[in-house]
Amino acid sequence: SQTIHQWPATLVQPVGSPLSLECTVEGTSNPNLYWYRQAAGRGLQLLFYSVGIGQISSEVPQNLSASRPQDRQFILSSKKLLLSDSGFYLCAWSVHSGDTQYFGPGTRLTVL
Amino acid sequence: TQLLEQSPQFLSIQEGENLTVYCNSSSVFSSLQWYRQEPGEGPVLLVTVVTGGEVKKLKRLTFQFGDARKDSSLHITAAQPGDTGLYLCAGEHTDKLIFGTGTRLQVFP
Repeated sequence: SQTIHQWPATLVQPVGSPLSLECTVEGTSNPNLYWYRQAAGRGLQLLFYSVGIGQISSEVPQNLSASRPQDRQFILSSKKLLLSDSGFYLCAWSVHSGDTQYFGPGTRLTVL
Repeated sequence: TQLLEQSPQFLSIQEGENLTVYCNSSSVFSSLQWYRQEPGEGPVLLVTVVTGGEVKKLKRLTFQFGDARKDSSLHITAAQPGDTGLYLCAGEHTDKLIFGTGTRLQVFP
């Protein structure tokens, strides 16, 4: 069966510090991968998606970036965090674009 | 940009009451999915509806896809505290999944 992992589960970082969130998927090959940000109790904002290694599409301009160094690894990064980067970050995977998405447990990021 | 508006945004009810959540758009979707998300966790798929007018039931939850495939509804009968969570609809459009704005449901015992 497929599983998706995210770490860390929670993170508290000072403004201006770098960020690296990791997401890995097991039990499937060549998945579509997604990074979302969610404000408290609200809907999902798609940040990045990837259909293959090294292929990243950005949905919104921001100080975040994403990379996919391996087939089942998706990384969200920032060189300098802003207060507005605080939120709940979710990684998800799907077999094909538009299919059901399977979400990881999320990372709660607080920027102080 | 396609937009999926959900209403109401917040809903707070007593155990045993019925409720309906709406998901509306001006765009036509190939399919419509409903997810539930509990605090501190990722959303989990409840159901997918594909055909216009389709109705699916999941225990006390009834999902309907609009005839024109632009809207959907989720009806919960005799709500229970375990139904508490954030409900998200998501429409498939041109190979992308567009998520709705979310409805936060709180069911009090």
